[in-house]
Amino acid sequence: EVQQVESGGVVGQPGGSLRLSCAASGFTFDDYTMHWVRQAPGKGLEWVSLISWDGTTTYYADSMKGRFTISRDNRKNSLYLQINSLRSEDTALYYCAKEEDGNKLNAFDIWGQGTMVTVSS
Amino acid sequence: QSALTQPASVSGSPGQSITISCTGTSSDVGTYNVVSWYQQHPGKAPKLMIYEVTKRPAGVSNRFSGSKSGNTASLTISGLQAEDEADYYCCSYAGINTYWVFGGGTKLTVL
Repeated sequence: EVQQVESGGVVGQPGGSLRLSCAASGFTFDDYTMHWVRQAPGKGLEWVSLISWDGTTTYYADSMKGRFTISRDNRKNSLYLQINSLRSEDTALYYCAKEEDGNKLNAFDIWGQGTMVTVSS
Repeated sequence: QSALTQPASVSGSPGQSITISCTGTSSDVGTYNVVSWYQQHPGKAPKLMIYEVTKRPAGVSNRFSGSKSGNTASLTISGLQAEDEADYYCCSYAGINTYWVFGGGTKLTVL
């Protein structure tokens, strides 16, 4: 079964840091670009970042640049997102999502269940 | 404010057809045929319904179809069923500086 399971979501303090993880299974992880997408409570979807299959290329939404770092470990079939200098506006459900096509940027075909990050003092 | 504009809500009766619009710009929807649509039921993860404007993933009902004209993409659901009631989001590739933009979402109510 193809699935992705996120973890690492916590209640964090403003200015703090945390690391989210996503464990993938059921597909050849290192064939695909991977993404993080977030959803604030009661709000819509917002693309956060992507990382190429080999981890050499990363991109971030403008509002995430500088505080967010995406990475992956293909030996462990895992995707990560480091968030520093936490802000209240980072409060959201964070999803990892798999690129639909291994050869091009296309769509997000497999999503995890999400991990909740709450930033509060 | 979302980059792509969707109606906040649409509704229809069982068996009817509805269309959800997604309006972008010449920097995203108008230039790239990389528009996708996602269905999200309450408390659930999004599900890919349409990609590359018109393509359906395996397992998605052929009652769902996509199209595009100029800067506006559309999702049409025919033969509405109760289980179609959900939030729907469009998404478009927007070039190498912005990458991906989503619409604000549309709540579909099946009356």
